[in-house]
Amino acid sequence: NAGVTQTPKFRILKIGQSMTLQCTQDMNHNYMYWYRQDPGMGLKLIYYSVGAGITDKGEVPNGYNVSRSTTEDFPLRLELAAPSQTSVYFCASSYDGSGTQYFGPGTRLLVL
Amino acid sequence: DQQVKQNSPSLSVQEGRISILNCDYTNSMFDYFLWYKKYPAEGPTFLISISSIKDKNEDGRFTVFLNKSAKHLSLHIVPSQPGDSAVYFCAAFNAGNMLTFGGGTRLMVKP
Repeated sequence: NAGVTQTPKFRILKIGQSMTLQCTQDMNHNYMYWYRQDPGMGLKLIYYSVGAGITDKGEVPNGYNVSRSTTEDFPLRLELAAPSQTSVYFCASSYDGSGTQYFGPGTRLLVL
Repeated sequence: DQQVKQNSPSLSVQEGRISILNCDYTNSMFDYFLWYKKYPAEGPTFLISISSIKDKNEDGRFTVFLNKSAKHLSLHIVPSQPGDSAVYFCAAFNAGNMLTFGGGTRLMVKP
C-alpha cells in the first residue's frame, strides 16, 4: 500500500496562475481532507469530503476548490494564486471520519 | 481565536530523560484528543489518542494525560530517544468531522 500520495512535491507559481494539487489514496477510505500549514502554525482544514461526490468547506476555504469524483482521488484547485497561499499543503484520509487520519508527504507551494 | 494551544514552541531534553509536551484547549465540546508526530519533509503521523471519558492512555513509552476540568492534556515520553526528535502536534476532535490542531512543539532529544 502506498497510502496517501501527493503531487507535486514542490511548485513555484506566479501571482494569478492556477494549478491543481493532486491527492490519491489506496486504502479505500471514504473521508479525505486538505490542510495547509503555515510556518510556526498548526494545520488548518481547507476542505473535506465524506465520500465520492460530497465535499464541504473547512476553516479556510477561500481561494480553493475541490472535487471528489472517485473514492481514491481528491484534487485541490487554486484558481488565482496569491502570495497568501504560500504554504505547505497536506492531504489526509480516514476510514471512519475519526480524528485518526493518514497524511500524505505534503506539497510545498511558493507564490511569487 | 485558537481553540487548541501549545504554548511551548520548542523543548530540549537529554536522552533517557522524560519529555513532557503540553496542550491547552478552550472548547468543551471536544470529545477526543490526539497527538501527531511530524518529521521534516514528511506528513504528520498519528501517535496516540485519548477519549474525553478517560484521563490516561498509555502506549509503550508514550502516555497521554487529560485533565478535563483544566482543559489541559499532556504527552509524556519516557525514556526519550534521539529518534523522538520531531514536531509534535496536539489535536482535538468533535463529531463535526474536523480536527483542530495546535501550533506544534519541536522536541529535540540530545544524545
